[in-house]
Order: sequence, then structure tokens, then C-alpha cells
Amino acid sequence: EDQVTQSPEALRLQEGESSSLNCSYTVSGLRGLFWYRQDPGKGPEFLFTLYSAGEEKEKERLKATLTKKESFLHITAPKPEDSATYLCAVQALKAAGNKLTFGGGTRVLVKP
Amino acid sequence: DTEVTQTPKHLVMGMTNKKSLKCEQHMGHRAMYWYKQKAKKPPELMFVYSYEKLSINESVPSRFSPECPNSSLLNLHLHALQPEDSALYLCASSKGLTNEKLFFGSGTQLSVL
Repeated sequence: EDQVTQSPEALRLQEGESSSLNCSYTVSGLRGLFWYRQDPGKGPEFLFTLYSAGEEKEKERLKATLTKKESFLHITAPKPEDSATYLCAVQALKAAGNKLTFGGGTRVLVKP
Repeated sequence: DTEVTQTPKHLVMGMTNKKSLKCEQHMGHRAMYWYKQKAKKPPELMFVYSYEKLSINESVPSRFSPECPNSSLLNLHLHALQPEDSALYLCASSKGLTNEKLFFGSGTQLSVL
């Protein structure tokens, strides 16, 4: 069974204090790993897709990396507007219907 | 237009009511999804439609009935719900069914009394 575990569950940062979120996964053949951002009361917003170990993608203050067992989302010099829940999800090669297995998320709070 | 629009934003219903949730997208996406999300939990897949045909039903109780009238619209008909069905119901769409990023709507916050 595919599994995704995110840590920490919650993260409080001061503005400008860089940190990393972890997403550990077990999947029988990875088709893709996705990162989403979710604000309270809203739907998730797509950030990145990573396909193979060693791949990295960046967007503004966010950088996602991938190894064979985990992915990291690095937040560099965060601002209060980066406060959100960050969700990691995997899609297995055998997954039907674009099915994603989500992790529990990391709630990030950035204080000014 | 890169939006998925869901209505209503909030819904309160009794256990004997019948209501419907609506979802619309105009991105030409051919796959549409219903997810259920409880507070502080990740989204859980309920249904997947591909080219207006039901592709996946994740063993969802029959009190939830999906419908895809055309390629832009997705409905979720609700009947005889239970209080534990209270959650945020999210609609999403994607271009296709293989490794495609999902575009989510803002959801309908449902409370069942």
C-alpha cells in the first residue's frame, strides 16, 4: 500500500527564518510526486511535480527536491504570506484515474 | 480562465434533505474529481470522471450520487446524509488521467445537522 508521511505536523517560523518540510513516501513505482499549498477554507493550489530522484524545482521562495525515499520543500526567507498547509502527494505507476495518495500535511505559520 | 468554480460555498442541511453541489470548469479539462476533506486531514478521493464517464468510485456510500452532465460540469447529489458527512467537499479537474496536476475549486463547506 502506498504511504506518505509528512513532518513536522506544524511549524512556526519567524519571518526570514528558513526551514525545510519533509515528505517520506513508500510507493510501488513512483510516477510523480506533487506538492500543493492549501490556505484555510480553500482548495489546494498546485506548486510542483517531481518525477525522478535528483530532480529539483523552484518557485519564488520555495524549492522542492526529490530522493528515492523522500522529498523536501525548502522555504527560504519566508514571509507571512507563506503561511499555509503544505501537502505532499504521490502517484503510483499503477494508479488508476490519476489517483493521488496525500500525506497529512505540514501547517506552516510565519510570524512577522 | 484557470478556475474551478464550486457552488454553494456553504451548505447546511438536515439528515432528511436532498441537496446538490455544483462544480464548473472551462479549461477544456476532460477529467473531473470529487474529494472530501475533514478538518486538519488531507483530501480523500471520492469519484473520478473521465470524458464524462465515471472512472473511479472509491466505495463511497450511495447517499452520495455524482453526475457529469457535460465536460464542463460536475454535480454531487446528496440525500439522507449523516452528521459525520460534514466536511469540505472539493471539486478538481485535470487535462487527463496520467500524472496530471489537479486544479481545485475552493470547496463547499457542508454541515449536516
